[in-house]
Amino acid sequence: EAQVTQNPRYLITVTGKKLTVTCSQNMNHEYMSWYRQDPGLGLRQIYYSMNVEVTDKGDVPEGYKVSRKEKRNFPLILESPSPNQTSLYFCASSFGPRLNTEAFFGQGTRLTVV
Amino acid sequence: AQTVTQSQPEMSVQEAETVTLSCTYDTSENNYYLFWYKQPPSRQMILVIRQEAYKQQNATENRFSVNFQKAAKSFSLKISDSQLGDTAMYFCAFMKPPNTGNQFYFGTGTSLTVIP
Repeated sequence: EAQVTQNPRYLITVTGKKLTVTCSQNMNHEYMSWYRQDPGLGLRQIYYSMNVEVTDKGDVPEGYKVSRKEKRNFPLILESPSPNQTSLYFCASSFGPRLNTEAFFGQGTRLTVV
Repeated sequence: AQTVTQSQPEMSVQEAETVTLSCTYDTSENNYYLFWYKQPPSRQMILVIRQEAYKQQNATENRFSVNFQKAAKSFSLKISDSQLGDTAMYFCAFMKPPNTGNQFYFGTGTSLTVIP
């Protein structure tokens, strides 16, 4: 089954404790990205990647890191989480530059930083 | 920068009736894509419908259709014969042209409730 898999689905952590949210897709998509969803703000892009070893900042990259060492994986790293990073996070993937593309989303990760 | 505006934070509709969700966007691009995504309580993001900007014909997908007005930068979603399963948050999204990272810009969402 074609899917984007995020782990964990829920995470409660303390301020300053490094964490990683994993994202994996099995559709051989070139493009992957991370979003955070906050009430009243919709989804905002954190980072995106157009291919292996190619990443770039989205609209809200502060406090986050990503890596793309393999085509299928795109982990999101919070080196020193803070309470303002409490949010719902989505990973998404899509094919590269071609028509009729769409983004496939993971099931989301609810992160709480206390 | 691209912006997407959904001016209706909440809407409700009677079951079997028709409802229209509005969306406007701002861009200087000529070639782009527009989407409506549905997010039910399960939080999963589900594609509802897609429109390529170069196509004048409005997209339709079963009970879902759009009214795409490129000059006005408007992209509304019409849901016909509303069903209880349509209750969800709906996000309008703009995607930049290919070769630019497939960056999506989302609106703030419209929470739709279908009333039995």
